Amino acid sequence: NAGVTQTPKFRILKIGQSMTLQCTQDMNHNYMYWYRQDPGMGLKLIYYSVGAGITDKGEVPNGYNVSRSTTEDFPLRLELAAPSQTSVYFCASSTRGNSGNTIYFGEGSWLTVV
Amino acid sequence: TQLLEQSPQFLSIQEGENLTVYCNSSSVFSSLQWYRQEPGEGPVLLVTVVTGGEVKKLKRLTFQFGDARKDSSLHITAAQPGDTGLYLCAGAPGNQFYFGTGTSLTVIP
Repeated sequence: NAGVTQTPKFRILKIGQSMTLQCTQDMNHNYMYWYRQDPGMGLKLIYYSVGAGITDKGEVPNGYNVSRSTTEDFPLRLELAAPSQTSVYFCASSTRGNSGNTIYFGEGSWLTVV
Repeated sequence: TQLLEQSPQFLSIQEGENLTVYCNSSSVFSSLQWYRQEPGEGPVLLVTVVTGGEVKKLKRLTFQFGDARKDSSLHITAAQPGDTGLYLCAGAPGNQFYFGTGTSLTVIP
């Protein structure tokens, strides 16, 4: 049972480099999300999508971009990486946006920008 | 400004003690969820509260949704070392799904 799969699990970037965090889900969920989590803190919403072709900004979108060309995939792009983007990134999906439905998480991607 | 504020942010208690974690917002939610997260893993859903004033129990954990559906609390009775982790409330006032600021709980044996 794959669920939500995100890659890579660990990555070290140099300041100014770019990279894409991949996320795919096999549950046919319309809603997908990207969060970042700093140590000991809650998750902050970066971007979300309510379906293929539709994306919207969350709480902390600056420095990131997303696309949703298919229902399954929701990649997160970091352009010109900065040390402030050092964090753990979680991709998630759910059947609907309201909290009455369970949200499923990927295993996380640890990103360090040096 | 966070949509969902949790308090306290950090809590360290002895095994056997009781504790309460609070989740507050100025917004009304149709429902709120509580998650527990262990280091290196994603959050795991504990409970969903839907009705204002609702109380749900999960073994030693008691969850309450405020009457106005703007706040929630998590009470743990006789805490165990296995309760150690990061507790997060979460809710969706629309299509976005927000998490609270988190409460890091450490239960000392």
